[in-house]
Amino acid sequence: DAGVIQSPRHEVTEMGQEVTLRCKPISGHDYLFWYRQTMMRGLELLIYFNNNVPIDDSGMPEDRFSAKMPNASFSTLKIQPSEPRDSAVYFCASSVQMNTEAFFGQGTRLTVV
Amino acid sequence: AQSVTQLDSHVSVSEGTPVLLRCNYSSSYSPSLFWYVQHPNKGLQLLLKYTSAATLVKGINGFEAEFKKSETSFHLTKPSAHMSDAAEYFCVVRANTGGFKTIFGAGTRLFVKA
Repeated sequence: DAGVIQSPRHEVTEMGQEVTLRCKPISGHDYLFWYRQTMMRGLELLIYFNNNVPIDDSGMPEDRFSAKMPNASFSTLKIQPSEPRDSAVYFCASSVQMNTEAFFGQGTRLTVV
Repeated sequence: AQSVTQLDSHVSVSEGTPVLLRCNYSSSYSPSLFWYVQHPNKGLQLLLKYTSAATLVKGINGFEAEFKKSETSFHLTKPSAHMSDAAEYFCVVRANTGGFKTIFGAGTRLFVKA
């Protein structure tokens, strides 16, 4: 398996634009997580899915953030409209079960100018 | 409540000397504990995990960690540092608190001097 695949690796966008980050989890993994990493706040869990269903989105910072998982092999994290303070590295991870180790993608470095 | 504290934000060692990265946790439930490593501009990679089996856990690249319940610690060690070990290391605690919660430590950046 190629591991968790995220795209794009880098994204630079202007404030106010819509940004969509994409993730393909490892096949057979029932859990998918979206994290945000910044210098100030470290790693934060934004939302996670179980069998394509959002379970806990309490980490999503604002209504500008939304996430979907239309099928077992694809998830998106959307920011609309984007703001400079959204600049961070966004990681997607997947795991077989909730209490097993998560495998992380390479991350998407988002810069909002 | 759960928490995880990595006691050092930075650790610097010379190549060939031992590595010790310290992690203390707090959990009201039987936790699972993990160490991840993150190299610059890369994702997080699992080094090792403890899930209530053997208290001494061996991981990849010569790392190991010992779960000490009495000290609520899960320190990461390696007998001899290599230049390629320079990275950021995260201690992670996960427990079923009526729903699984995962807490990441703030990270420890390891520097390895030649």
